[in-house]
Amino acid sequence: DAGVIQSPRHEVTEMGQEVTLRCKPISGHDYLFWYRQTMMRGLELLIYFNNNVPIDDSGMPEDRFSAKMPNASFSTLKIQPSEPRDSAVYFCASKPGGPTEAFFGQGTRLTVV
Amino acid sequence: LAKTTQPISMDSYEGQEVNITCSHNNIATNDYITWYQQFPSQGPRFIIQGYKTKVTNEVASLFIPADRKSSTLSLPRVSLSDTAVYYCLVGGLFGGYQKVTFGTGTKLQVIP
Repeated sequence: DAGVIQSPRHEVTEMGQEVTLRCKPISGHDYLFWYRQTMMRGLELLIYFNNNVPIDDSGMPEDRFSAKMPNASFSTLKIQPSEPRDSAVYFCASKPGGPTEAFFGQGTRLTVV
Repeated sequence: LAKTTQPISMDSYEGQEVNITCSHNNIATNDYITWYQQFPSQGPRFIIQGYKTKVTNEVASLFIPADRKSSTLSLPRVSLSDTAVYYCLVGGLFGGYQKVTFGTGTKLQVIP
């Protein structure tokens, strides 16, 4: 398996634009997580899914953020409209059930100017 | 979820053993202890996981005392490539779902 695949790796956009980040989890994994990492706040859990169903979105900062998982092999994180304070590295991770490790993608570095 | 506390940073010379301790006073009975490593510009990577006593793999050892209120990650003979941030996580199956939440991490700097 190629691991968790995120795209794009880098995104630069202007304030007010819509941004969509994409993630392909490892096949067979039941859980998918979206994280955001900044120097100030570290790694923050935004939302996670179990079997494609959103379970906990309490970490989503505000209504401008939304995440979907239409099937077991694809998830998106959308920011609309984007703001400069959304600039961060966004990670997607997946894991099987049980007390097992989570596998992270390489991340998407988002810069909103 | 049990909260974890670990040192913000540590320095070590190459070739030395490094021990990073994490406190998790309110760990629950069904919680596991997991450590991740993160290099700059990369996603976190699993190092080791344990429930009690001692666990060892090819990369590290994890020591967990009987009360499980703390744990120590031990890295034998570190090299410059071990410079990274190390995260301690506590959690597991809870109410039928799981959540992986990271703390602040310990930034390890290995010095030549």
